[in-house]
Amino acid sequence: AQSVTQPDIHITVSEGASLELRCNYSYGATPYLFWYVQSPGQGLQLLLKYFSGDTLVQGIKGFEAEFKRSQSSFNLRKPSVHWSDAAEYFCAVRMRGGADGLTFGKGTHLIIQP
Amino acid sequence: SAVISQKPSRDICQRGTSLTIQCQVDSQVTMMFWYRQQPGQSLTLIATANQGSEATYESGFVIDKFPISRPNLTFSTLTVSNMSPEDSSIYLCSVGGQTIEQYFGPGTRLTVT
Repeated sequence: AQSVTQPDIHITVSEGASLELRCNYSYGATPYLFWYVQSPGQGLQLLLKYFSGDTLVQGIKGFEAEFKRSQSSFNLRKPSVHWSDAAEYFCAVRMRGGADGLTFGKGTHLIIQP
Repeated sequence: SAVISQKPSRDICQRGTSLTIQCQVDSQVTMMFWYRQQPGQSLTLIATANQGSEATYESGFVIDKFPISRPNLTFSTLTVSNMSPEDSSIYLCSVGGQTIEQYFGPGTRLTVT
């Protein structure tokens, strides 16, 4: 069955430290890949996306993600987190060539320690 | 990206009643989607709404419970019918079509008592 896995429900990081949020997918072919962020009481904001080409993609707010086909992974990274990065992060996928909606992982709750 | 608005932003409803949520986009879009986010959970696709055709529902969601309208390329509604406390969720619309990525509205927070 097709699925998106975010293995970390909660992650706590000190302000200024680096961050990596994991995402793995299980699909027959490489889907389109996305990371969204949801701040408390807010809607979803697209951080970055991967369609093809360079496997390291840059997004907004200083985030980047690396697609690794061999590991079916699309991990999100940031070299130095800020207190304002505290939020819920969702990895999402969409099948290529279709008109489908997104399939989301369960999300990772990021806590920033001062 | 498109600017998407939803009405109402939140509501408290009694069980057995229905609520219609509106989603308005500032530009014409081919595809609109409706998602549900139950408390503390991730997002689940309810249905895809394309203008001029019937909405396509995901497994576990039915038209009688979640009727959808898509009268034009900038507007859609989702009705949550005969509500129960289990329907308490955030309902989000999103748009896509011209772009592969989807952009989301701010959501409607529904509480059923």
